[in-house]
Amino acid sequence: EPEVTQTPSHQVTQMGQEVILRCVPISNHLYFYWYRQILGQKVEFLVSFYNNEISEKSEIFDDQFSVERPDGSNFTLKIRSTKLEDSAMYFCAERGTSVQETQYFGPGTRLLVL
Amino acid sequence: SQQGEEDPQALSIQEGENATMNCSYKTSINNLQWYRQNSGRGLVHLILIRSNEREKHSGRLRVTLDTSKKSSSLLITASRAADTASYFCATAGANFGNEKLTFGTGTRLTIIP
Repeated sequence: EPEVTQTPSHQVTQMGQEVILRCVPISNHLYFYWYRQILGQKVEFLVSFYNNEISEKSEIFDDQFSVERPDGSNFTLKIRSTKLEDSAMYFCAERGTSVQETQYFGPGTRLLVL
Repeated sequence: SQQGEEDPQALSIQEGENATMNCSYKTSINNLQWYRQNSGRGLVHLILIRSNEREKHSGRLRVTLDTSKKSSSLLITASRAADTASYFCATAGANFGNEKLTFGTGTRLTIIP
């Protein structure tokens, strides 16, 4: 199975601080996603990204969140001013070109906002 | 019920027995995927079944899909202690451009050695 990597594995931050979570893409994957999982809850979709544009976003993905993939490099999720309720595991996922393809998930970044 | 709900929520069986988990969903789908998650870890993809498929096998895994009932099942045969994990179904929407995955609530499977 293709390996998606994410950095950092853990991040602790103070409320109001900015955090950037990174995902290292697999070379032939074109579609990127961010999901999050609050402890003990289901995995929730945040945003999908294709061709350097957001293709869909959820209600969770408000103005505090942004994504980018500068120059075809790492795919990042930025939270501008973290809140306590942003504490969660954040997963990036990727897939190739077909809509029927598997989404491969990274190991996640555990974010704790104090 | 919400899109993607598994039952049972928790399942404990003896090693060597078969484990069956069910998933129900509400809207039309393109495909359904099953994932495993060990406690506090990442999501490992197990199997993808397309909306025009009824059954799929991968090793000890067997997945069925009934689009008329909007349900799927995951069968793990000859369970092992290492199968202890949470199992999630996730559906990909049928509309073009709506490929996000909607996850179920998960089944926590415990294999007793």
